[in-house]
Amino acid sequence: SAVISQKPSRDICQRGTSLTIQCQVDSQVTMMFWYRQQPGQSLTLIATANQGSEATYESGFVIDKFPISRPNLTFSTLTVSNMSPEDSSIYLCSVDQGGRTRAFFGQGTRLTVV
Amino acid sequence: GIQVEQSPPDLILQEGANSTLRCNFSDSVNNLQWFHQNPWGQLINLFYIPSGTKQNGRLSATTVATERYSLLYISSSQTTDSGVYFCAVGGSEKLVFGKGMKLTVNP
Repeated sequence: SAVISQKPSRDICQRGTSLTIQCQVDSQVTMMFWYRQQPGQSLTLIATANQGSEATYESGFVIDKFPISRPNLTFSTLTVSNMSPEDSSIYLCSVDQGGRTRAFFGQGTRLTVV
Repeated sequence: GIQVEQSPPDLILQEGANSTLRCNFSDSVNNLQWFHQNPWGQLINLFYIPSGTKQNGRLSATTVATERYSLLYISSSQTTDSGVYFCAVGGSEKLVFGKGMKLTVNP
């Protein structure tokens, strides 16, 4: 199984600012996934990050709001830009082992925007 | 897109009781997984089970792909089983999550 370290684990941010979340994996993976979990809700996929190409965003999510970097096969960042209280959520990064097998998640970043 | 429905939405048990969680999905899939989210938000992968039956300790899961449902069984529940259980399905690369089932196990 993959070990995923996500930082920060939590943060309280002022509206209008940006936060960058880091995700480090202990092995090389082709695809990394970023999810948002709004309070009391399920997980919604924001985007898929492939190394060496632009991230693929899901409907309702745009690059200007959630820019993603994927500089190598073990690391990715998600930035939440120009934050508003509606962005208060848990953000999670995930990887799978390839071939559509088990998915593993980082511990999540609990973001509160005030 | 594919729809995922979980039932029941909430469940309260006494320690030692058994429970069955159900996941229905609207289309054929080649990926189905069960997750447990603990009260601290950490998501733990319980099973990768696109078909068949698997067991891991007190937990077991069965997926009947032809009838588009999966069941998660928890036996002899413990307070540490509390949290939210998610079913997630996929046909290609991405997973679609159900709304989850909140389980509370009381001592």
